[in-house]
Amino acid sequence: SQQGEEDPQALSIQEGENATMNCSYKTSINNLQWYRQNSGRGLVHLILIRSNEREKHSGRLRVTLDTSKKSSSLLITASRAADTASYFCATDAGNNNDMRFGAGTRLTVKP
Amino acid sequence: NAGVMQNPRHLVRRRGQEARLRCSPMKGHSHVYWYRQLPEEGLKFMVYLQKENIIDESGMPKERFSAEFPKEGPSILRIQQVVRGDSAAYFCASSPPSGRAGEQYFGPGTRLTVT
Repeated sequence: SQQGEEDPQALSIQEGENATMNCSYKTSINNLQWYRQNSGRGLVHLILIRSNEREKHSGRLRVTLDTSKKSSSLLITASRAADTASYFCATDAGNNNDMRFGAGTRLTVKP
Repeated sequence: NAGVMQNPRHLVRRRGQEARLRCSPMKGHSHVYWYRQLPEEGLKFMVYLQKENIIDESGMPKERFSAEFPKEGPSILRIQQVVRGDSAAYFCASSPPSGRAGEQYFGPGTRLTVT
């Protein structure tokens, strides 16, 4: 079942600009993950941040986690046209199969 | 409108046995994706199928794993001669015929334990 909310639902920016996407969730989590999906393809795992971490970097990606506000953000710096995709957050409560996905943010990066 | 259904939710197999995981997509959906999740890791894409057709199996191990999505009935992920390393949660997702990015709905997963 889908749960969690990403905002904005859609984001359109120019190449070179930064893109910020937010994710909120409702229950306690073990970790939170961000994924990317290109049209017609499967999800690609980007970053996993654990509940005791506040910030994580991977290349041009920066993820923050605020467990007190139950929210996370994904920042893509110096965006490229190839970053155009949908981005999902997913929360893992750590008990059995309790992975919950948000509805995603559609990012369009114009060249 | 029932969501994506997977069964069984939990499956225990001994080494060498076969595991069959089923995924019934949402009504009206004709695309199915399978993912594997190891403990404390993210989902890893395995295969993308449309009815009677494998579109992308780039994430499938070369041996022992197969997937199908017949014209009628659920999608099946089959693992032959299971080994301990196959123990994981297996998730499927479905999307409508348009296949637009962002329209992927996940099932609750099947947790496979190989003893």
